Amino acid sequence: DVKVTQSSRYLVKRTGEKVFLECVQDMDHENMFWYRQDPGLGLRLIYFSYDVKMKEKGDIPEGYSVSREKKERFSLILESASTNQTSMYLCASNGLAGENTDTQYFGPGTRLTVL
Amino acid sequence: GNSVTQMEGPVTLSEEAFLTINCTYTATGYPSLFWYVQYPGEGLQLLLKATKADDKGSNKGFEATYRKETTSFHLEKGSVQVSDSAVYFCALSGQDTGKLIFGQGTTLQVKP
Repeated sequence: DVKVTQSSRYLVKRTGEKVFLECVQDMDHENMFWYRQDPGLGLRLIYFSYDVKMKEKGDIPEGYSVSREKKERFSLILESASTNQTSMYLCASNGLAGENTDTQYFGPGTRLTVL
Repeated sequence: GNSVTQMEGPVTLSEEAFLTINCTYTATGYPSLFWYVQYPGEGLQLLLKATKADDKGSNKGFEATYRKETTSFHLEKGSVQVSDSAVYFCALSGQDTGKLIFGQGTTLQVKP
């Protein structure tokens, strides 16, 4: 079974703090993704990575950065958290081999509140 | 560009009622189509998928047929249960790097 884990289920941070959200997958997947989920807006792609040290901007990268130093780990960084970054953050991964290459597997999500 | 449109929610049904959640898409090429489900407090799980026209995906009593002529992938279930209460997302595969494009999600609430 594919397993994608996220470092925290709930986080509360203050405006201006630097925030790290961690995601780890155990299936040797090449691709990893960070989304944010807001009511009525569905899932919006923030950043994705298709290889170690590679990253590409998604639809809403402003205010975020990412790091992928190891294949299994993809970190989302909020350099200076703001209240409009209060949201649910979801990590996902998929691989390039096998029959389910286009299926993404999701972690449980991190609900971030910025005060 | 590619996009997915789902019916507005929330959808409220009584137990054992018939469910349809509409999903239409705009895409170039031949994307795969997906339904994901998100139970309260959890991440998204793949419910079913279809990879080419006229394919039917099915799982846990849910079905959806890839209709290229109407660019649709409607989700159906003959008899819903309270445990089906969740948010349902329709998605299609992008043309590169395994990206998915999601609809806005439809909340289903099933009452006993």
